[in-house]
Amino acid sequence: GDSVTQMEGPVTLSEEAFLTINCTYTATGYPSLFWYVQYPGEGLQLLLKATKADDKGSNKGFEATYRKETTSFHLEKGSVQVSDSAVYFCALINQAGTALIFGKGTTLSVSS
Amino acid sequence: DGGITQSPKYLFRKEGQNVTLSCEQNLNHDAMYWYRQDPGQGLRLIYYSQIVNDFQKGDIAEGYSVSREKKESFPLTVTSAQKNPTAFYLCASSTSQGIYYEQYFGPGTRLTVT
Repeated sequence: GDSVTQMEGPVTLSEEAFLTINCTYTATGYPSLFWYVQYPGEGLQLLLKATKADDKGSNKGFEATYRKETTSFHLEKGSVQVSDSAVYFCALINQAGTALIFGKGTTLSVSS
Repeated sequence: DGGITQSPKYLFRKEGQNVTLSCEQNLNHDAMYWYRQDPGQGLRLIYYSQIVNDFQKGDIAEGYSVSREKKESFPLTVTSAQKNPTAFYLCASSTSQGIYYEQYFGPGTRLTVT
């Protein structure tokens, strides 16, 4: 069945460092892909999405490109801030188009 | 402001008691979802509903029950049959299907059963 695999965390960076969080997926066809962010003690917020191959989603300095050749949707940011410390989830929409399938999440910790 | 509300934020219960978690949305979304989140496990789907008076089991429905009598409301009952109920519970709702699909989350309820 469909699945999402994310790099294990935690990822620990200094402020202004470059961030990459890897995400690969297994799915039938070309589902829409998503990155969600969860700040401590809160629900999830949609960070960005891409609906077809080669699409680039972007928001708040974060970017991810839908790569069908490598079945990947890696999250990147050029210069992280302390306020980016959170858990990041990669997800895809299931084949029926009715629900999301999430990766296990990657914890990012940024220090000043 | 449109959004999803979950109450309460923290809930404590004794083992053997049923407990109902509230979820309300005013986004006019047709579909609603319940997830369970445990450390290191990501999110696991418990139940979802695409229309009023209809719902489907997700990956871990055992020990849980839901109802969908109104479009805005999707309460989750954690029954005494759920072996490990202590967790963070997240409710979500979504827009239409296909490429326009997006899912919006509430702030969550942390349930502790002792």
